[in-house]
Amino acid sequence: DQQVKQNSPSLSVQEGRISILNCDYTNSMFDYFLWYKKYPAEGPTFLISISSIKDKNEDGRFTVFLNKSAKHLSLHIVPSQPGDSAVYFCAASGRGSTLGRLYFGRGTQLTVWP
Amino acid sequence: SQTIHQWPATLVQPVGSPLSLECTVEGTSNPNLYWYRQAAGRGLQLLFYSVGIGQISSEVPQNLSASRPQDRQFILSSKKLLLSDSGFYLCAWSGGRWGRPLNTEAFFGQGTRLTVV
Repeated sequence: DQQVKQNSPSLSVQEGRISILNCDYTNSMFDYFLWYKKYPAEGPTFLISISSIKDKNEDGRFTVFLNKSAKHLSLHIVPSQPGDSAVYFCAASGRGSTLGRLYFGRGTQLTVWP
Repeated sequence: SQTIHQWPATLVQPVGSPLSLECTVEGTSNPNLYWYRQAAGRGLQLLFYSVGIGQISSEVPQNLSASRPQDRQFILSSKKLLLSDSGFYLCAWSGGRWGRPLNTEAFFGQGTRLTVV
């Protein structure tokens, strides 16, 4: 049972435009959310996170938005650059039975073209 | 600073052979340790996680096992590999204790590409 879902397997965006990657979750015990970026044959690298006490967190070109009522979060990249092309994973952790674990979505392949 | 080492980087093993992948973390103590697998075209699947020496939780029943003989060492094993065990295996660590840290970013190793033939 996939508790963290990324329903778009791929996204193609022109350089300079905004990239919006979406993520949904089902477990109400999740209270901390993360985005990771992964290149082929490498481990994922941490990008940005957000706690459930916030609805927005910004770091340079990257902004994560959290809508708790909808159990939805999104990652915005503005402006998009070709070097942003990678697979992006959404992840979540929380309290109770999910304590200490990170649950990942299946990832979205972002391609930024010139 | 903290670093995580995972080896080997690639491995080709015949069906039925044993497996041992090792992961070590430096620069921190009492980390949470994880083994993930990314099968072809799939996302990251949590296989095992550990909050302390000898404490292993399994997420999915499978042909694999994990052990944590030392605080910063995590081992993934199999007695007999199956074709379906092929994939990209990732070790990761995160800080904090069972009491719930605020930041739970997990940091990943470079991964092991396992091909079972």
